[in-house]
Amino acid sequence: GIQVEQSPPDLILQEGANSTLRCNFSDSVNNLQWFHQNPWGQLINLFYIPSGTKQNGRLSATTVATERYSLLYISSSQTTDSGVYFCAVAPNFGNEKLTFGTGTRLTIIP
Amino acid sequence: DTAVSQTPKYLVTQMGNDKSIKCEQNLGHDTMYWYKQDSKKFLKIMFSYNNKELIINETVPNRFSPKSPDKAHLNLHINSLELGDSAVYFCASSQDLLAYEQYFGPGTRLTVT
Repeated sequence: GIQVEQSPPDLILQEGANSTLRCNFSDSVNNLQWFHQNPWGQLINLFYIPSGTKQNGRLSATTVATERYSLLYISSSQTTDSGVYFCAVAPNFGNEKLTFGTGTRLTIIP
Repeated sequence: DTAVSQTPKYLVTQMGNDKSIKCEQNLGHDTMYWYKQDSKKFLKIMFSYNNKELIINETVPNRFSPKSPDKAHLNLHINSLELGDSAVYFCASSQDLLAYEQYFGPGTRLTVT
C-alpha cells in the first residue's frame, strides 16, 4: 500500500515562530488532507489539498503532486496550535481509504 | 450544528462484554467510515460504507461488525471485547467514494479492563 512519512516527528517552538511540516508519499494521490488533532483529541480538518496551494489565515499548504510531497506552513504560532498534525492520503487507483502518516507533534511554548 | 456525531464519547467496559458505538452524520454524505487510533496515535481505517453497502473491510477481526441502517448512520458493534481493543474510534463521512474530503467525528475512547 501507499506509504506516508511525516517530518519532523516532534517540534517545539516559541510562540510567534513559524514552522514547516512535511509529508512525503510513495504513490500518486487523488486525496490529500491535513488534520490537526488538538489536545482534547478532536481531529480538525485543515486542508483538502491533493494538489496546488491553499491558505487559511496563518496556515497555508502546498502539495506538489508530481514530486509526491506536501508542506504545511504555520506562521506566528500560538499556543492553541499545539497538538499533532496528520497528513492523510488516498492513492489514485485505490479504494479511497485514507492512509495516515505518523504525525508531527507540535508544542508551542508561551 | 454537529456534522458528524458519535455516542458515547467514553466507554469503559470489561473484557468479554459486547458494546456498540453509534455514528450519525447530517451532511447528506453517501460514504461513512470507521477508523481506529491506537495508543501511539496511529490512525488506521477499519471499514467504509457507501450507500449502506460495505466497501472496505480492512482485515478487522470478525468480532467487529459495522451496520448501516441508512446513509446517515454507521454503527460499530464489538463482541467479546479484548484488552487490545482499547483505543479511540473515529467515525467519518465524505460526499462520495472517490476524491472527496473526509470529515471526522469527535471520537469514542474505549477502555477495556
